[in-house]
Amino acid sequence: AQSVAQPEDQVKVAEGNPLTVKCTYSVSGNPYLFWYVQYPNRGLQFLLKYITGDNLVKGSYGFEAEFNKSQTSFHLKKPSALVSDSALYFCAVRDMGPAGGGNKLTFGTGTQLKVEL
Amino acid sequence: GAVVSQHPSRVICKSGTSVKIECRSLDFQATTMFWYRQFPKQSLMLMATSNEGSKATYEQGVEKDKFLINHASLTLSTLTVTSAHPEDSSFYICSAREGGYPYYEQYFGPGTRLTVT
Repeated sequence: AQSVAQPEDQVKVAEGNPLTVKCTYSVSGNPYLFWYVQYPNRGLQFLLKYITGDNLVKGSYGFEAEFNKSQTSFHLKKPSALVSDSALYFCAVRDMGPAGGGNKLTFGTGTQLKVEL
Repeated sequence: GAVVSQHPSRVICKSGTSVKIECRSLDFQATTMFWYRQFPKQSLMLMATSNEGSKATYEQGVEKDKFLINHASLTLSTLTVTSAHPEDSSFYICSAREGGYPYYEQYFGPGTRLTVT
C-alpha cells in the first residue's frame, strides 16, 4: 500500500532563511507526488507536483521540491522564507504502479511551518 | 486553474438532524469527486469516491448510510450527514477530478466546517 511520511510536525525558520519540509514516500510503482498548502479553515492549495522528468520541480510562491528516487524523498524547499509562508503543508502521493491502483491520493500527516521575524 | 466551491462554508446543527454539503466544479466537468474528512491538526482521510451517475465507493470504516453521497451531475456532488452527532463534527473537504486516468488533476474545495451540538 502507498504511504507518505512527514517526520516533522513543525518546522520553525527565521524570515529570510531557507526552509525545508521533509517528505518520504512508499509506493509499489512510479510515484506521482504533490505538495499542498493549507491555511486555517481553508481547503488545500496546490503548490507543485512531480510526475517524471527533471528531479527539481518548481512551483507556486517560490517553492520547489526535489525528487530523490534512491531515498524515496520529495522534500519541499524555498530559498528565502516569508512570514506569510506560515501554514500547514501536506505531501501526497498517488501510486501509478499496477498494484497501486493509481486512483487514490494518500496524504502525509502534515507539517506546520512557522516563519518568524 | 480549475475552481471547486463548497457550500456552506460553516454549518452548526443540532444532534439528530441531517446536513447537506454541496461540492461544485465551477469551470470544468468532473466525472469523479472525492470527499475527505479532516480532524484538527490531522491529515485528510478519504471517505468516499463519488462517480457521476453511479453509486459512491466508500472507504473501509465509513458508514455509507450515515454519509450519503449523490453525484447527480458532472458539476455537483453532495454529502449528506444523516442523524448527525457531535462526533461527526469535523472539517469536510471535497475534491474534483479533471482529466482522464492516470494523470488527472485533483482540485480541492475550501472546506465545510460542521459543528454538531
